[in-house]
Amino acid sequence: NAGVTQTPKFQVLKTGQSMTLQCAQDMNHEYMSWYRQDPGMGLRLIHYSVGAGITDQGEVPNGYNVSRSTTEDFPLRLLSAAPSQTSVYFCASSSGGPQHFGDGTRLSIL
Amino acid sequence: AQSVTQLGSHVSVSEGALVLLRCNYSSSVPPYLFWYVQYPNQGLQLLLKYTTGATLVKGINGFEAEFKKSETSFHLTKPSAHMSDAAEYFCAVKERSGGYQKVTFGTGTKLQVIP
Repeated sequence: NAGVTQTPKFQVLKTGQSMTLQCAQDMNHEYMSWYRQDPGMGLRLIHYSVGAGITDQGEVPNGYNVSRSTTEDFPLRLLSAAPSQTSVYFCASSSGGPQHFGDGTRLSIL
Repeated sequence: AQSVTQLGSHVSVSEGALVLLRCNYSSSVPPYLFWYVQYPNQGLQLLLKYTTGATLVKGINGFEAEFKKSETSFHLTKPSAHMSDAAEYFCAVKERSGGYQKVTFGTGTKLQVIP
């Protein structure tokens, strides 16, 4: 089982560039979430989805967009990258119980 | 609103010694509680969870945690540390309510195991 797959694993961007972080899960989970992890701050929720076509903002949504056209996929879009968005991004899915996490995308904004 | 406090961002123990990682939570309704472990360059993996029933919860790799409602605590323990336990540990809380419930994570505790 692949579980939750995130691509790419690493990315370097210049300020102002845009990009999409991909997340796919093969467990038919209805709930999916995006977090960012920064040293000393734990995981902070960016956006989440309770099912295809339904998304909502989390704790730190500014500068990010999401969509959920299928159950399996939940991409995260950076509209205009800023150095403050340098972080490790994790996607997670669940069916209501504990979350399953991907291995993360390490993103650096220069 | 729910919150999680993990005391100690770094904990060092000798190999074979007791591991104790502290977690206190606040929640307006009875919570679900979790401990996750993160190894370098990996995502979070579930160690154990408390949902209902027995307050002493056993997890993987010999870890266990006890839910103490009166102390609003969910401390993680392991009787004897192994080198392979070196990782970062996160406590998390989720309120019991209808529909989607957001999970709140603590800031994490890095465990160092000294040979």
